[in-house]
Amino acid sequence: QVHLQESGPGLVKPSQTLSLTCTVSGGSISLGGYYWGWVRQPPGGGLEWVGYIYYSGETFYNPSLKSRLAISPDTSKNQFSLLLTSVTAADTAFYYCTRARVGHSSPFDFWGQGTLVTVSS
Amino acid sequence: DILVTQSPSSLSASVGDRVTITCRTGQAIGDFLNWYQQQPGKAPQLLISAASNLEIGVPSRFSGIGSGTNFILTITSLQPEDFATYFCQQTFVSPPTFGQGTKVEIK
Repeated sequence: QVHLQESGPGLVKPSQTLSLTCTVSGGSISLGGYYWGWVRQPPGGGLEWVGYIYYSGETFYNPSLKSRLAISPDTSKNQFSLLLTSVTAADTAFYYCTRARVGHSSPFDFWGQGTLVTVSS
Repeated sequence: DILVTQSPSSLSASVGDRVTITCRTGQAIGDFLNWYQQQPGKAPQLLISAASNLEIGVPSRFSGIGSGTNFILTITSLQPEDFATYFCQQTFVSPPTFGQGTKVEIK
């Protein structure tokens, strides 16, 4: 069974960089067949796809965040990370790391428990 | 981005009721439509992929149908653990986008 676990600061100051790590167990981010990425959800709000990375290193980002976003792998630790720069209060959300199946309809079949990141001074 | 619209935004139902949730997309997406359930305080969980394919372990009272721009999630005989928020998601065009959610509450 695949398990994903987010970690990182729960509070980030405006204009600074949000940094989160997802640790994967039960599956390898170095193998093909899946995208590894992030979805966020403001408290009480809807879901927004942030982006994901493929084992080849190819990245796919939401255009609304692309200029501030980087997702990168650490294959030695079976982890991948999210960096979001120049954050504002609008970036306050629960951040979920996810696995999506490559192929028809690319469903997000595994999710981490989520971590709340608050942007505030 | 493809707009995804769910209806209703919320509904009240009783245990044993049949519930239907509709998802409409702003352009045709074939069957590139997934459904998720989110319990309060938990991460979303995949129920159905490609409009009608039930994930392993998901009870058979859940079913999905549709193609093009119109999709339906049906829960037959609602159970206490089904009171949650349901989201649809299109993955036909990047970025993948979600509906705003349908909250199923106890009547």
